[in-house]
Order: sequence, then C-alpha cells, then structure tokens
Amino acid sequence: EAGVAQSPRYKIIEKRQSVAFWCNPISGHATLYWYQQILGQGPKLLIQFQNNGVVDDSQLPKDRFSAERLKGVDSTLKIQPAKLEDSAVYLCASSITSRAEQFFGPGTRLTVL
Amino acid sequence: KNQVEQSPQSLIILEGKNCTLQCNYTVSPFSNLRWYKQDTGRGPVSLTIMTFSENTKSNGRYTATLDADTKQSSLHITASQLSDSASYICVVSATGGGNKLTFGTGTQLKVEL
Repeated sequence: EAGVAQSPRYKIIEKRQSVAFWCNPISGHATLYWYQQILGQGPKLLIQFQNNGVVDDSQLPKDRFSAERLKGVDSTLKIQPAKLEDSAVYLCASSITSRAEQFFGPGTRLTVL
Repeated sequence: KNQVEQSPQSLIILEGKNCTLQCNYTVSPFSNLRWYKQDTGRGPVSLTIMTFSENTKSNGRYTATLDADTKQSSLHITASQLSDSASYICVVSATGGGNKLTFGTGTQLKVEL
C-alpha cells in the first residue's frame, strides 16, 4: 500500500515570496491533515479536511496560509507571503476516518531566508 | 489546556544498552496514547497505541507503559541499535470532536557505537 506522498521534499525561498506544497493521501482516506513542525517541537495542526470540507482550521494563520482539497483527494497548502518564522517542516497526514490512526508523509522542509 | 510533556529532551546511549523515555500528559477526556518514532527527514511512524484500560504494549524491542491514574507513560527500548536513533514523540488523543491530537516535543535519542 502506497503511503502519503508529499512534494517538494525541500524548498528554499526568500521572505515575502509565495510557496505551495502538495499532498496525495493514502487511497480511500477521507480525512487529511496539514501540520507545521518547527525544529525541536512537536507537530502543530494547521488544518483538517473531511473529504473536501474543512473540519478544523483554528490554528491556520489565514492572513497568509490557505489550503484546499477540491476533489476530496489531493490537497495543496499555500503560504503567501512567507515570513522567516514559517521555516519548518510541513507534514501531511491522512486517516480512513477522523477517529482512525493518522499516517504521515515524509514532509516538506521549508527554509525562508 | 491539553499538554504533553516529555523527558529527557535528548539522550545519548551506547549500542546494546536499554533506555526509558518519559511522557506526562494533561489531556482530557483521554482516549488513547501513542508513541511515534520520527527518523530525520521523515514523518512520524506509530510504534504503539494504548487506551485507558491498557497498561502495557510491546512492539518488538519497544515496550510502552501507561498509568492512567497518574497520567504518565514510558517507552522502554531494549538492546538499542544504531537504527533506533530518532525522535520519539508521545501523542495523546482526546475523545469527542474528532481525533484531535496533542503532541509532545519529543525526545531526541542518539545511539552510538
């Protein structure tokens, strides 16, 4: 069974630039999550989708971050414009249902200069 | 506020030695507790999961314990190997409202020759 796929694996941008990350969850998984993991910290939930609807985006900085999952499968997370403090690993996870185990992708490491 | 605290923050041990990682949590109402292993540059992978009624769970050389009364958990690694070098994250799930996870900051373990 293929795992959660993410791309790119690494991205370096300058502050005020825009960046987008892509996630392809495990086939059949209805719930998709985006996490931000700053170095030395545990992951922080940014947004949770159930199919193509948003369940929880309470910790998403909506002035600069946006995410979508239009067809209920793949998802993209965008940052516009990026700040230095956005440097982190962005993890995507998926689960069959919202109560099932979450499986994580390898993450995208973002460096903002 | 739900919190998960882990200790030590980092640990260096020699190959073949045992070690124990600690996790204290204040998550309510409690649903389950997982220990994840996160290799450098990869997403977290679940090692064990324990519910309220379980007080020990093993996965190979990994043994997790749970004391729901004191809200403490430990992860014991037996006969450590170089491949055990990773971050170990304690994650607690609360009932209700989906599967909201509270992550610890992790223990960075390094196994040396």
